[in-house]
Amino acid sequence: DTGVSQNPRHKITKRGQNVTFRCDPISEHNRLYWYRQTLGQGPEFLTYFQNEAQLEKSRLLSDRFSAERPKGSFSTLEIQRTEQGDSAMYLCASSIDSGRVEQYFGPGTRLTVT
Amino acid sequence: KNEVEQSPQNLTAQEGEFITINCSYSVGISALHWLQQHPGGGIVSLFMLSSGKKKHGRLIATINIQEKHSSLHITASHPRDSAVYICAVRSPSGSRLTFGEGTQLTVNP
Repeated sequence: DTGVSQNPRHKITKRGQNVTFRCDPISEHNRLYWYRQTLGQGPEFLTYFQNEAQLEKSRLLSDRFSAERPKGSFSTLEIQRTEQGDSAMYLCASSIDSGRVEQYFGPGTRLTVT
Repeated sequence: KNEVEQSPQNLTAQEGEFITINCSYSVGISALHWLQQHPGGGIVSLFMLSSGKKKHGRLIATINIQEKHSSLHITASHPRDSAVYICAVRSPSGSRLTFGEGTQLTVNP
């Protein structure tokens, strides 16, 4: 399968714990995006990378959130000191380096903070 | 007011009916996307439009840039079309998508 993959698919954690999610984009794609989707809502943009450079971050990305893409391939999204409001589906997407192209989405990681 | 508004929020149809989902936006865009999301979260891109009309099988998408409005039509709807349909607009810089809240479509046999 050469699509976008995300791990884990589901994560249940207790409030205050740290969690890390991983996204593996399509191999030739150098743009990688993170989105968050809460129940019944459309996704919201969090951040995006072009190769290893993080070029834009949403104000939704508080200082408890950090994203990296150290070698320009896979990316990780870490949430520190999780809160119940962080419960959501975290979606990753990738695309080639061009403005008007499709983004290909991964299956998402569903986070539940208890 | 959201930058991207979809209507209706929920739509129930009988198999075979013609379906229209509407999307209005209030910001400048470089392109508009229609996406399909099935239970479990997976999102599939259906169309990307910057002008005019596109057709793929039973799906048709149109956009009117002057009116900042797009429609997604499904002809001869089928229960397997049941999903959430999401409109998203791409920023002029091309770096981010802004999504509507989605339209939950249920097609009954």
